[in-house]
Amino acid sequence: EPEVTQTPSHQVTQMGQEVILRCVPISNHLYFYWYRQILGQKVEFLVSFYNNEISEKSEIFDDQFSVERPDGSNFTLKIRSTKLEDSAMYFCASSLTYEAFFGQGTRLTVV
Amino acid sequence: AQKVTQAQTEISVVEKEDVTLDCVYETRDTTYYLFWYKQPPSGELVFLIRRNSFDEQNEISGRYSWNFQKSTSSFNFTITASQVVDSAVYFCALSAGPNNAGNMLTFGGGTRLMVKP
Repeated sequence: EPEVTQTPSHQVTQMGQEVILRCVPISNHLYFYWYRQILGQKVEFLVSFYNNEISEKSEIFDDQFSVERPDGSNFTLKIRSTKLEDSAMYFCASSLTYEAFFGQGTRLTVV
Repeated sequence: AQKVTQAQTEISVVEKEDVTLDCVYETRDTTYYLFWYKQPPSGELVFLIRRNSFDEQNEISGRYSWNFQKSTSSFNFTITASQVVDSAVYFCALSAGPNNAGNMLTFGGGTRLMVKP
């Protein structure tokens, strides 16, 4: 069964460093998303991407964040200068229409 | 703006009991979609079901059933004869907006279900 895959599963980074989280969405999907979940809290929307551009973003998705689909398969989230409060589980998701299917997540720890 | 409320933060049951997880939503859109996701201890988010706002038929899938009532803006989830493997956090989510697809999901706070043997 096709699935969304994310790498790495866990990343530890120092405050102020740049990180890139990688995702391979399901191959025939059209919409791509990033969500985050701070430990023990609700899942929050960051950004959606369609037709090679951002279609929607939340207030969380400020200038420190960017997304890219560099080729036909990968979808990345870059955080330019990480802060302690960026520590969270980051989920990539993709959808063909309405149902979003999520990857297993990348746990980002900023120290 | 959309909002999803899951008032039960934690529920504990004994195996084989039935359990209902409540979900109440708010949206001004007339077309919207409701979802349930399961987050087991391993952390991933597993899609369980989608309902459209124009289809109020209840749905049953094995031990799972969903009750959608527009009149009360609720989309409740019942697990019949619960099992230990059902232990997880369950999220209700809402998708609405101008697009037919690709809209963001607004999640509720989640309900942690613990099924004890």
